[in-house]
Amino acid sequence: DQQVKQNSPSLSVQEGRISILNCDYTNSMFDYFLWYKKYPAEGPTFLISISSIKDKNEDGRFTVFLNKSAKHLSLHIVPSQPGDSAVYFCAASPTNAGGTSYGKLTFGQGTILTVHP
Amino acid sequence: KAGVTQTPRYLIKTRGQQVTLSCSPISGHRSVSWYQQTPGQGLQFLFEYFSETQRNKGNFPGRFSGRQFSNSRSEMNVSTLELGDSALYLCASNTDGRSGNTIYFGEGSWLTVV
Repeated sequence: DQQVKQNSPSLSVQEGRISILNCDYTNSMFDYFLWYKKYPAEGPTFLISISSIKDKNEDGRFTVFLNKSAKHLSLHIVPSQPGDSAVYFCAASPTNAGGTSYGKLTFGQGTILTVHP
Repeated sequence: KAGVTQTPRYLIKTRGQQVTLSCSPISGHRSVSWYQQTPGQGLQFLFEYFSETQRNKGNFPGRFSGRQFSNSRSEMNVSTLELGDSALYLCASNTDGRSGNTIYFGEGSWLTVV
């Protein structure tokens, strides 16, 4: 059972335009969500996160939106740059009653973003 | 501030052997977790350690084990290696495992089993 899904394996956009990467989840215990960027043979690099008490978080060119009722989040990159080309992973963290997630992330399968000059 | 450091970066082992991978978390981080990335299964959680205790474990066989030392450094061990264990093994650290704390990853250890 895949609890975090990124239904688009790939996305191609022109430089300067907006990139929108989507992620759906099924586990209502998830309350903290993170986006990572990853190059082959390297570890994931943290981009941006959002807590379930918010519906939007911005950091420079990156904005994450969370729709709890739809169990959906999205990452917007504006404007997109060729250096943004990578695999993007959505990850979700559950919390127990004590507020601890035990460092456990459930990842989506990733979306390959290609930004063309 | 130094990031998460993993050693070795690349290694080749033979079926049946065992392997030990090492991870030094970011200074001040006490929670260390391990993940396996394979093309077919994606990124999967192995286990998490905090204050030298395993707090959480993913769905992996007992051949996969780990430990954490008093300085928060961690090692994971895979015994009786199988071809399917070939993967990128990632270590991640965060302050204490509480929700809302960013989890940072190391560069990973590439294991090839032949």
